[in-house]
Amino acid sequence: AQSVTQLDSQVPVFEEAPVELRCNYSSSVSVYLFWYVQYPNQGLQLLLKYLSGSTLVKSINGFEAEFNKSQTSFHLRKPSVHISDTAEYFCAVTRISGGYNKLIFGAGTRLAVHP
Amino acid sequence: KAGVTQTPRYLIKTRGQQVTLSCSPISGHRSVSWYQQTPGQGLQFLFEYFSETQRNKGNFPGRFSGRQFSNSRSEMNVSTLELGDSALYLCASTLAGGPQETQYFGPGTRLLVL
Repeated sequence: AQSVTQLDSQVPVFEEAPVELRCNYSSSVSVYLFWYVQYPNQGLQLLLKYLSGSTLVKSINGFEAEFNKSQTSFHLRKPSVHISDTAEYFCAVTRISGGYNKLIFGAGTRLAVHP
Repeated sequence: KAGVTQTPRYLIKTRGQQVTLSCSPISGHRSVSWYQQTPGQGLQFLFEYFSETQRNKGNFPGRFSGRQFSNSRSEMNVSTLELGDSALYLCASTLAGGPQETQYFGPGTRLLVL
């Protein structure tokens, strides 16, 4: 079975400050890793994903995440946040084989950016 | 291209009733997955349909069921509603249901059971 732990339920940060949202996973089989973001009263949107290759993946809006196999982590970072980044962020995994596209989510981290 | 649409957006029911939620995937997408989101349990996978067949099911009681039509639209049904079924129900679609694919989520149906 797979499980995902997001170590912080809430992260307050000032605008233009850097932020890191932590994600650890547990799985006995190989997985793909995802970060999704949920803005208030909306569904989830993909932020970025790690499938293979370079362990550092980047999104178009300045977020990046690094896959660390030895530490089974996939932390999300942004060097300078904006008010508009205020949202809930979910780390998720899915089995590479046999699980089709069933996503296992972490509990979420609520990022609150303050002016 | 239009995104994933879900109807209705909001629903209020009473215990014991049943409810049907609808999801229209992005045009051309053949896989539809359903998730339940609650403050206590977070996001939990309900089931996935691909080409009208249920391929995967989460750990939910038999009161939760679904189906997919030939045009890929999907419905989920919850019978004998309980208070704990109050949640945001999200559906997501992908082109071919592969694990590497991005899942595109709808805005959800918020169900309140009184």
